[in-house]
Amino acid sequence: ILNVEQSPQSLHVQEGDSTNFTCSFPSSNFYALHWYRWETAKSPEALFVMTLNGDEKKKGRISATLNTKEGYSYLYIKGSQPEDSATYLCASRRDSGYALNFGKGTSLLVTP
Amino acid sequence: DVKVTQSSRYLVKRTGEKVFLECVQDMDHENMFWYRQDPGLGLRLIYFSYDVKMKEKGDIPEGYSVSREKKERFSLILESASTNQTSMYLCASAIKQGYNSPLHFGNGTRLTVT
Repeated sequence: ILNVEQSPQSLHVQEGDSTNFTCSFPSSNFYALHWYRWETAKSPEALFVMTLNGDEKKKGRISATLNTKEGYSYLYIKGSQPEDSATYLCASRRDSGYALNFGKGTSLLVTP
Repeated sequence: DVKVTQSSRYLVKRTGEKVFLECVQDMDHENMFWYRQDPGLGLRLIYFSYDVKMKEKGDIPEGYSVSREKKERFSLILESASTNQTSMYLCASAIKQGYNSPLHFGNGTRLTVT
Protein backbone atom coordinates (compact mmCIF):
# COMPACT_ATOMS: atom_id res chain seq x y z
CA ILE A 1 0.00 0.00 0.00
CA LEU A 2 1.30 3.44 -0.91
CA ASN A 3 1.39 5.70 2.15
CA VAL A 4 0.09 9.11 1.28
CA GLU A 5 0.67 11.70 3.99
CA GLN A 6 -0.88 15.14 4.19
CA SER A 7 0.05 18.09 6.35
CA PRO A 8 -1.10 19.98 8.20
CA GLN A 9 -4.07 18.01 9.48
CA SER A 10 -6.07 21.22 9.91
CA LEU A 11 -5.63 24.88 9.22
CA HIS A 12 -7.51 28.00 10.24
CA VAL A 13 -6.84 31.19 8.27
CA GLN A 14 -8.40 34.59 7.87
CA GLU A 15 -10.15 35.68 4.71
CA GLY A 16 -7.59 37.06 2.28
CA ASP A 17 -4.69 34.97 3.59
CA SER A 18 -2.84 32.72 1.19
CA THR A 19 -2.15 29.20 2.31
CA ASN A 20 -0.63 25.93 1.18
CA PHE A 21 -0.79 22.25 2.06
CA THR A 22 1.58 19.38 1.45
CA CYS A 23 0.99 15.89 0.15
CA SER A 24 3.83 13.37 0.23
CA PHE A 25 3.83 9.97 -1.43
CA PRO A 26 6.31 7.22 -2.28
CA SER A 27 8.09 8.25 -5.46
CA SER A 28 8.64 4.73 -6.77
CA ASN A 29 6.14 3.36 -9.29
CA PHE A 30 4.37 6.69 -9.44
CA TYR A 31 1.49 7.01 -11.90
CA ALA A 32 -0.68 9.97 -10.95
CA LEU A 33 -1.49 12.34 -8.11
CA HIS A 34 -5.02 13.61 -7.55
CA TRP A 35 -6.32 16.53 -5.47
CA TYR A 36 -9.96 16.69 -4.32
CA ARG A 37 -11.98 19.24 -2.38
CA TRP A 38 -14.64 17.92 -0.03
CA GLU A 39 -17.12 20.42 1.32
CA THR A 40 -19.40 19.52 4.19
CA ALA A 41 -22.60 17.76 3.08
CA LYS A 42 -21.34 17.50 -0.49
CA SER A 43 -19.40 14.92 -2.47
CA PRO A 44 -15.65 15.18 -3.01
CA GLU A 45 -14.89 17.11 -6.17
CA ALA A 46 -11.79 16.64 -8.30
CA LEU A 47 -9.49 19.65 -8.50
CA PHE A 48 -6.42 18.35 -10.33
CA VAL A 49 -4.92 15.18 -11.72
CA MET A 50 -1.17 15.45 -12.23
CA THR A 51 1.21 12.96 -13.77
CA LEU A 52 4.46 14.61 -14.86
CA ASN A 53 7.35 15.76 -12.71
CA GLY A 54 7.29 19.54 -12.57
CA ASP A 55 3.59 19.72 -13.46
CA GLU A 56 1.83 22.85 -12.34
CA LYS A 57 -1.92 23.22 -12.59
CA LYS A 58 -4.21 26.13 -11.79
CA LYS A 59 -7.92 26.61 -11.34
CA GLY A 60 -8.86 30.14 -10.34
CA ARG A 61 -7.13 30.97 -7.06
CA ILE A 62 -6.05 27.36 -6.48
CA SER A 63 -2.89 25.88 -7.92
CA ALA A 64 -0.83 22.74 -7.42
CA THR A 65 2.69 21.58 -8.14
CA LEU A 66 4.16 18.11 -8.41
CA ASN A 67 7.61 16.71 -7.70
CA THR A 68 7.63 13.01 -8.52
CA LYS A 69 11.35 12.51 -7.88
CA GLU A 70 11.10 13.51 -4.23
CA GLY A 71 7.47 12.47 -3.84
CA TYR A 72 5.54 15.57 -2.89
CA SER A 73 2.85 17.92 -4.16
CA TYR A 74 1.82 21.33 -2.89
CA LEU A 75 -1.64 22.84 -3.11
CA TYR A 76 -1.79 26.64 -2.91
CA ILE A 77 -4.81 28.84 -2.30
CA LYS A 78 -4.30 32.52 -2.99
CA GLY A 79 -6.48 35.01 -1.12
CA SER A 80 -8.56 32.43 0.79
CA GLN A 81 -12.31 32.97 0.93
CA PRO A 82 -14.85 31.43 3.35
CA GLU A 83 -16.17 29.28 0.50
CA ASP A 84 -12.75 27.63 0.32
CA SER A 85 -13.47 26.02 3.68
CA ALA A 86 -13.36 22.27 3.04
CA THR A 87 -11.26 19.18 3.47
CA TYR A 88 -8.60 18.85 0.79
CA LEU A 89 -7.65 15.29 -0.11
CA CYS A 90 -4.77 14.05 -2.15
CA ALA A 91 -4.50 10.56 -3.57
CA SER A 92 -1.87 8.60 -5.43
CA ARG A 93 -2.54 5.93 -7.96
CA ARG A 94 -1.63 2.51 -6.69
CA ASP A 95 0.74 0.02 -8.25
CA SER A 96 -1.92 -2.53 -9.01
CA GLY A 97 -5.14 -1.77 -10.73
CA TYR A 98 -6.67 1.60 -11.03
CA ALA A 99 -7.66 2.35 -7.45
CA LEU A 100 -6.33 5.42 -5.63
CA ASN A 101 -4.78 5.56 -2.18
CA PHE A 102 -5.91 8.61 -0.23
CA GLY A 103 -4.25 10.70 2.45
CA LYS A 104 -6.19 11.69 5.55
CA GLY A 105 -6.84 15.18 4.26
CA THR A 106 -6.23 18.74 5.38
CA SER A 107 -9.22 20.50 6.88
CA LEU A 108 -9.24 24.20 6.02
CA LEU A 109 -11.39 26.78 7.78
CA VAL A 110 -11.45 30.32 6.41
CA THR A 111 -13.12 32.89 8.63
CA PRO A 112 -14.21 36.38 7.57
CA ASP B 1 -21.95 16.45 -15.64
CA VAL B 2 -21.37 12.98 -14.28
CA LYS B 3 -23.89 11.99 -11.72
CA VAL B 4 -23.19 9.33 -9.12
CA THR B 5 -26.21 8.56 -7.02
CA GLN B 6 -26.21 6.67 -3.77
CA SER B 7 -29.59 5.32 -2.80
CA SER B 8 -29.65 6.48 0.81
CA ARG B 9 -28.12 9.44 2.59
CA TYR B 10 -28.67 7.98 6.06
CA LEU B 11 -29.29 4.41 7.16
CA VAL B 12 -29.76 2.85 10.55
CA LYS B 13 -29.50 -0.93 10.76
CA ARG B 14 -29.29 -3.49 13.51
CA THR B 15 -26.36 -5.77 14.21
CA GLY B 16 -26.61 -8.93 12.15
CA GLU B 17 -28.79 -7.48 9.40
CA LYS B 18 -27.82 -7.86 5.77
CA VAL B 19 -27.39 -4.38 4.34
CA PHE B 20 -27.33 -3.26 0.72
CA LEU B 21 -25.81 0.06 -0.33
CA GLU B 22 -26.62 0.95 -3.91
CA CYS B 23 -24.73 3.20 -6.28
CA VAL B 24 -25.67 4.20 -9.82
CA GLN B 25 -23.69 6.32 -12.29
CA ASP B 26 -25.01 7.75 -15.53
CA MET B 27 -21.84 8.26 -17.59
CA ASP B 28 -21.06 4.75 -18.79
CA HIS B 29 -17.92 4.58 -16.64
CA GLU B 30 -16.11 1.27 -16.52
CA ASN B 31 -14.56 1.71 -13.08
CA MET B 32 -16.53 1.91 -9.86
CA PHE B 33 -15.34 2.01 -6.27
CA TRP B 34 -16.55 1.77 -2.70
CA TYR B 35 -14.69 3.67 0.02
CA ARG B 36 -15.44 4.23 3.67
CA GLN B 37 -14.43 7.33 5.55
CA ASP B 38 -13.79 7.34 9.27
CA PRO B 39 -12.49 10.21 11.42
CA GLY B 40 -8.71 10.27 11.53
CA LEU B 41 -8.37 7.50 8.98
CA GLY B 42 -9.23 9.08 5.65
CA LEU B 43 -10.80 7.28 2.74
CA ARG B 44 -10.12 3.57 2.67
CA LEU B 45 -10.89 1.37 -0.31
CA ILE B 46 -13.23 -1.56 0.29
CA TYR B 47 -13.78 -2.95 -3.21
CA PHE B 48 -13.58 -1.79 -6.78
CA SER B 49 -14.77 -3.04 -10.14
CA TYR B 50 -13.28 -2.38 -13.55
CA ASP B 51 -16.02 -4.06 -15.59
CA VAL B 52 -19.37 -5.78 -15.30
CA LYS B 53 -19.16 -8.86 -13.10
CA MET B 54 -15.53 -8.05 -12.25
CA LYS B 55 -14.43 -7.10 -8.75
CA GLU B 56 -11.20 -6.56 -6.87
CA LYS B 57 -10.62 -6.39 -3.14
CA GLY B 58 -9.37 -3.15 -1.73
CA ASP B 59 -7.62 -2.60 1.57
CA ILE B 60 -10.47 -3.52 3.91
CA PRO B 61 -12.80 -6.04 2.21
CA GLU B 62 -13.51 -8.16 5.29
CA GLY B 63 -17.21 -8.25 6.12
CA TYR B 64 -18.21 -6.85 2.74
CA SER B 65 -19.06 -8.15 -0.70
CA VAL B 66 -20.04 -6.40 -3.91
CA SER B 67 -22.15 -6.96 -6.97
CA ARG B 68 -21.79 -5.48 -10.45
CA GLU B 69 -24.44 -7.04 -12.68
CA LYS B 70 -24.88 -3.93 -14.83
CA LYS B 71 -22.33 -1.37 -15.85
CA GLU B 72 -24.10 1.54 -14.20
CA ARG B 73 -24.75 -0.09 -10.82
CA PHE B 74 -22.32 -1.17 -8.11
CA SER B 75 -23.74 -2.54 -4.88
CA LEU B 76 -21.96 -2.92 -1.57
CA ILE B 77 -23.27 -5.67 0.67
CA LEU B 78 -22.70 -6.02 4.39
CA GLU B 79 -23.37 -9.69 4.92
CA SER B 80 -23.99 -9.35 8.66
CA ALA B 81 -23.73 -5.78 9.84
CA SER B 82 -21.60 -5.07 12.87
CA THR B 83 -21.14 -1.92 14.94
CA ASN B 84 -17.60 -1.44 13.60
CA GLN B 85 -19.12 -0.96 10.16
CA THR B 86 -20.75 2.27 11.30
CA SER B 87 -19.20 4.74 8.88
CA MET B 88 -19.63 7.08 5.93
CA TYR B 89 -19.63 5.08 2.69
CA LEU B 90 -18.68 6.76 -0.57
CA CYS B 91 -19.19 5.38 -4.03
CA ALA B 92 -17.17 6.69 -6.97
CA SER B 93 -16.81 6.04 -10.68
CA ALA B 94 -14.18 6.82 -13.31
CA ILE B 95 -13.72 6.35 -17.01
CA LYS B 96 -11.29 3.58 -17.85
CA GLN B 97 -9.09 5.12 -20.51
CA GLY B 98 -5.73 6.35 -19.26
CA TYR B 99 -4.66 6.74 -15.70
CA ASN B 100 -5.50 10.41 -15.49
CA SER B 101 -9.22 10.21 -15.04
CA PRO B 102 -10.54 11.76 -11.83
CA LEU B 103 -13.00 9.98 -9.59
CA HIS B 104 -16.58 11.19 -9.51
CA PHE B 105 -18.13 10.67 -6.11
CA GLY B 106 -21.63 10.24 -4.80
CA ASN B 107 -22.87 12.19 -1.80
CA GLY B 108 -22.23 9.35 0.58
CA THR B 109 -24.31 7.11 2.82
CA ARG B 110 -23.91 7.51 6.54
CA LEU B 111 -24.59 4.09 8.01
CA THR B 112 -25.19 3.52 11.69
CA VAL B 113 -25.25 -0.05 12.98
CA THR B 114 -26.80 -0.41 16.43
